[in-house]
Amino acid sequence: EDQVTQSPEALRLQEGESSSLNCSYTVSGLRGLFWYRQDPGKGPEFLFTLYSAGEEKEKERLKATLTKKESFLHITAPKPEDSATYLCAVQASGGSYIPTFGRGTSLIVHP
Amino acid sequence: DVKVTQSSRYLVKRTGEKVFLECVQDMDHENMFWYRQDPGLGLRLIYFSYDVKMKEKGDIPEGYSVSREKKERFSLILESASTNQTSMYLCASITFRDGSGNTIYFGEGSWLTVV
Repeated sequence: EDQVTQSPEALRLQEGESSSLNCSYTVSGLRGLFWYRQDPGKGPEFLFTLYSAGEEKEKERLKATLTKKESFLHITAPKPEDSATYLCAVQASGGSYIPTFGRGTSLIVHP
Repeated sequence: DVKVTQSSRYLVKRTGEKVFLECVQDMDHENMFWYRQDPGLGLRLIYFSYDVKMKEKGDIPEGYSVSREKKERFSLILESASTNQTSMYLCASITFRDGSGNTIYFGEGSWLTVV
């Protein structure tokens, strides 16, 4: 069974304090790993898709990296507007194509 | 710009009422999903559909049904709403036509309160 574990569950940072969110996964062959941002009361907004170990993608202050067992979402010099819940999901290459989601990391950035 | 539209953002219904949640996507995606999201439980799959008139149960289908009469529209039905169905409901769609790990697009969510 595919599994996705995100840590920490919650993270509080000061503005400018860089950190990383972790997404550990177990899947029988990875088709894709997704990162989403979700603001309170809204639907998840797509950030990145990573396909293979060693791949990296960047968007503004966010950088996602991927290994064979986990993915990191690095946040460099965060701002209060980066406060949100960040969701990770994996999609297996064989069998069901249904993505498996983690429970998310709630990030709060204080000014 | 891609779009998944959920017709109702906020609903308040009484116990026992029949509830319809509508979702429309404009991306010609063959696959559509309904999730519910609750604090501490994350996203849980209720039903999904991989083609018109086709449906499959997800992890928590009890108390729900779905309808997909047209490719762009996927409806979630609560036959007799109960208070434990108070939640945020999210519709999503995805295509696999190009063979890669495709992006899942979500709607804005429907907040349902059953009183």
